[in-house]
Amino acid sequence: AQTVTQSQPEMSVQEAETVTLSCTYDTSENNYYLFWYKQPPSRQMILVIRQEAYKQQNATENRFSVNFQKAAKSFSLKISDSQLGDTAMYFCAFMKLYDNYGQNFVFGPGTRLSVLP
Amino acid sequence: DVKVTQSSRYLVKRTGEKVFLECVQDMDHENMFWYRQDPGLGLRLIYFSYDVKMKEKGDIPEGYSVSREKKERFSLILESASTNQTSMYLCASSLSIGAGGNIQYFGAGTRLSVL
Repeated sequence: AQTVTQSQPEMSVQEAETVTLSCTYDTSENNYYLFWYKQPPSRQMILVIRQEAYKQQNATENRFSVNFQKAAKSFSLKISDSQLGDTAMYFCAFMKLYDNYGQNFVFGPGTRLSVLP
Repeated sequence: DVKVTQSSRYLVKRTGEKVFLECVQDMDHENMFWYRQDPGLGLRLIYFSYDVKMKEKGDIPEGYSVSREKKERFSLILESASTNQTSMYLCASSLSIGAGGNIQYFGAGTRLSVL
């Protein structure tokens, strides 16, 4: 079974600075997807970024980028130029490539990020 | 944009009551999911459905049932609510994997308190 670990329950960062959230996972699969989801306070969870394990290039979405280290089974999220609206709970998630229905989405416990003015 | 709507943001129920949580998605997604979110535990899958009237148990199905009579609607049922079911419940939907879907889209959540 797959597991996802986020070792930082809470973090804070000053506005405009850069912060990195850590995620490690355990799997015997070779092909899979990794995700970062963001859940703002009292709002719905949305996808931040997605990485396919068979792609060596790290995914980037505007101020959000990942550092994907497949051998180390590490998938960290870097947020550049942090904004107040980035304050949220961030979940790292894993899904096998050949997951028939997506029922094996595995989520980490989450990291609560506070962006301070 | 995909929209997943959960009928209630907050619910307060009594122990032993039958509770219905409703979820509707507007993007014709095949797959729908119910998760439970608890601090420090992330999201845990209760049930999922890959087609109308089709359902499969997730990791923590005990004490819950589901219904999917229409493609857009997926209901979670607590047959006899108990205090340990006090939690945040999240609904999600996605396209089938065959359709290239692996992103799950979430509703805003229902925070249920069982007294």
